[in-house]
Amino acid sequence: EPEVTQTPSHQVTQMGQEVILRCVPISNHLYFYWYRQILGQKVEFLVSFYNNEISEKSEIFDDQFSVERPDGSNFTLKIRSTKLEDSAMYFCASRTTGGSISPLHFGNGTRLTVT
Amino acid sequence: GQQLNQSPQSMFIQEGEDVSMNCTSSSIFNTWLWYKQDPGEGPVLLIALYKAGELTSNGRLTAQFGITRKDSFLNISASIPSDVGIYFCAPRGGSEKLVFGKGTKLTVNP
Repeated sequence: EPEVTQTPSHQVTQMGQEVILRCVPISNHLYFYWYRQILGQKVEFLVSFYNNEISEKSEIFDDQFSVERPDGSNFTLKIRSTKLEDSAMYFCASRTTGGSISPLHFGNGTRLTVT
Repeated sequence: GQQLNQSPQSMFIQEGEDVSMNCTSSSIFNTWLWYKQDPGEGPVLLIALYKAGELTSNGRLTAQFGITRKDSFLNISASIPSDVGIYFCAPRGGSEKLVFGKGTKLTVNP
C-alpha cells in the first residue's frame, strides 16, 4: 500500500538554526499537510498546501515557517531560527482530493529536538 | 472557538473486553475520522464517516457519526493486545484542517 514517507526520522538542532523537514506524499495525491505533536499532547494542524500554494494555515504557522514543493515528489517544511518550543513530532499528510471525502494519510513523522 | 472533548482519556481493560470511546463538540462537522497512533509512528486511519447518522464497521471496530453532527463514537469489540495505542477522533468542518481530540490511551492486559 502506498505510504507517505518522511525524512529524517529524528533531527537534532541547536536553537537559532534552520531545519528542513522532508516528505514524499503518496504519488497521486494533490493536497498536502503538515501537523505537529508536542510530546504527550494532541496533533495540531499547521498548514495545508494545494496547487503550489498554501490553502490554509493555523496561527502556529507564523513567519518562522515555510513550505515548498520543490519538484513533483517532495514537500518540505522549513523552520527558520528554531526555538526550544519547536521541539515536537512533525507529521506530513496527503490526500487525493479536497472536499469532505478523501481522508488524510500520515507519514511516521520527524522528531525534531531543539537544544 | 471549537471545543472538542474526547473521553475517556485512558482505559485499562482485559483482553477480550469491549471498548467504547467518544468525542463531542460544540461545533458541527462534515466528516469524522478515527485514527490510531502507535508509539513513534504517525496516525493511521481506522474509519472515516461522511454522513450524519452513518454507522460504519472495519473488522472489530465500529464507529458512528452522530445525528447532530457534533459527536461520534468508536467501539472496539473483543479487544486483543495489539489494540494497544492512542485513539484519536479527528473531525473536519468546512476547512482543510482536521481538528484532533486529545486522544484515548488504551491498554489491554493479556
